[in-house]
Amino acid sequence: DGGITQSPKYLFRKEGQNVTLSCEQNLNHDAMYWYRQDPGQGLRLIYYSQIVNDFQKGDIAEGYSVSREKKESFPLTVTSAQKNPTAFYLCASKSRGTSYEQYFGPGTRLTVT
Amino acid sequence: AQSVTQLDSQVPVFEEAPVELRCNYSSSVSVYLFWYVQYPNQGLQLLLKYLSGSTLVKGINGFEAEFNKSQTSFHLRKPSVHISDTAEYFCAVSDANYGQNFVFGPGTRLSVLP
Repeated sequence: DGGITQSPKYLFRKEGQNVTLSCEQNLNHDAMYWYRQDPGQGLRLIYYSQIVNDFQKGDIAEGYSVSREKKESFPLTVTSAQKNPTAFYLCASKSRGTSYEQYFGPGTRLTVT
Repeated sequence: AQSVTQLDSQVPVFEEAPVELRCNYSSSVSVYLFWYVQYPNQGLQLLLKYLSGSTLVKGINGFEAEFNKSQTSFHLRKPSVHISDTAEYFCAVSDANYGQNFVFGPGTRLSVLP
């Protein structure tokens, strides 16, 4: 079955620690995205990558970092510089071909105390 | 750049009643339009999309949407809702150039009451 996996589903960290969220896709999609969602809020774009070894900042990139060393993988690191890291994080991917929608993973809920 | 407005942040409706969730967009170029559904603590799932052709688009779970270019709208409708339709619904727009510049609306919470 093709799709996007995000692990873990729930993640707990102490304040001041960096944490990396995993996102893997086997859809052979070129583009991948990270969004943040807060309670009752819409989606805010953190980072996106159109191709391997290249990525761009989204609307709220401060305190986050990413890498895109493989087409299938786009991990997101939430650094200690992110002031309010507790949120629901969604990863998505999109083909650059004939399918124009974004496909989403199940999300990771990060709680920092 | 595109933008999306979903005027209703919350829509309560009784079971088996019809519902319309409104979406308006702004763009200087041709667009593709999408509706997604999000159940609690889950990712987003595509309901339907408009790329070209017929302005009435049918999607999964009995939903449909109509593209109105003159009113820059893409409202989502269902003739009879079920309790299981309770969820958050997001409208999204991208430009018609290979679907770049994907923008989501703020979402509408649909609550179906028994």
